[in-house]
Amino acid sequence: KAGVTQTPRYLIKTRGQQVTLSCSPISGHRSVSWYQQTPGQGLQFLFEYFSETQRNKGNFPGRFSGRQFSNSRSEMNVSTLELGDSALYLCASGTNSYEQYFGPGTRLTVT
Amino acid sequence: DQQVKQNSPSLSVQEGRISILNCDYTNSMFDYFLWYKKYPAEGPTFLISISSIKDKNEDGRFTVFLNKSAKHLSLHIVPSQPGDSAVYFCAAMNTGTASKLTFGTGTRLQVTL
Repeated sequence: KAGVTQTPRYLIKTRGQQVTLSCSPISGHRSVSWYQQTPGQGLQFLFEYFSETQRNKGNFPGRFSGRQFSNSRSEMNVSTLELGDSALYLCASGTNSYEQYFGPGTRLTVT
Repeated sequence: DQQVKQNSPSLSVQEGRISILNCDYTNSMFDYFLWYKKYPAEGPTFLISISSIKDKNEDGRFTVFLNKSAKHLSLHIVPSQPGDSAVYFCAAMNTGTASKLTFGTGTRLQVTL
């Protein structure tokens, strides 16, 4: 089975712009979660989607949003980018068990 | 408030010896725990997990121990191999709000020859 894929792998944006990141889960996985990893805060949960519905949400501002499509693929959007949004954004997929399988991440740099 | 803590930022172990990575948690609602390994520029790789109804789970060279009363878990790697050198993250969840993993800050393991 192919693993979780994320595109793009690297991205450079300017403050104030918006960005969309994409995640394709492992085939058959209906849950997709997003995490932000920064040196200062570690890995932090953003939100989780299951069957196109947001099922769980972390403590991030409304500038961070996401959606899931009927094929389970998910996108994450960040609007009005700030310097502090520079991070590795990780997507993870899962089934009904609790293990989550991560993609390689998208490295976002905001200048 | 750091609900999952890994107090050792780094650990160095000789090849063939046992590596013990520790993790403490404060939230008594956590009932499922996972360990992930992460190489630079890659996403975390799932290693092993344990439910709060167990105190031990073993998978090959990896064993996780859970002490619920102390809110402490540990990952034992025996024998340690150079390829085990990576950052190890402990994660916890409340299965009632499944899929929201709370991660520790990680321990960098270096296995030396």
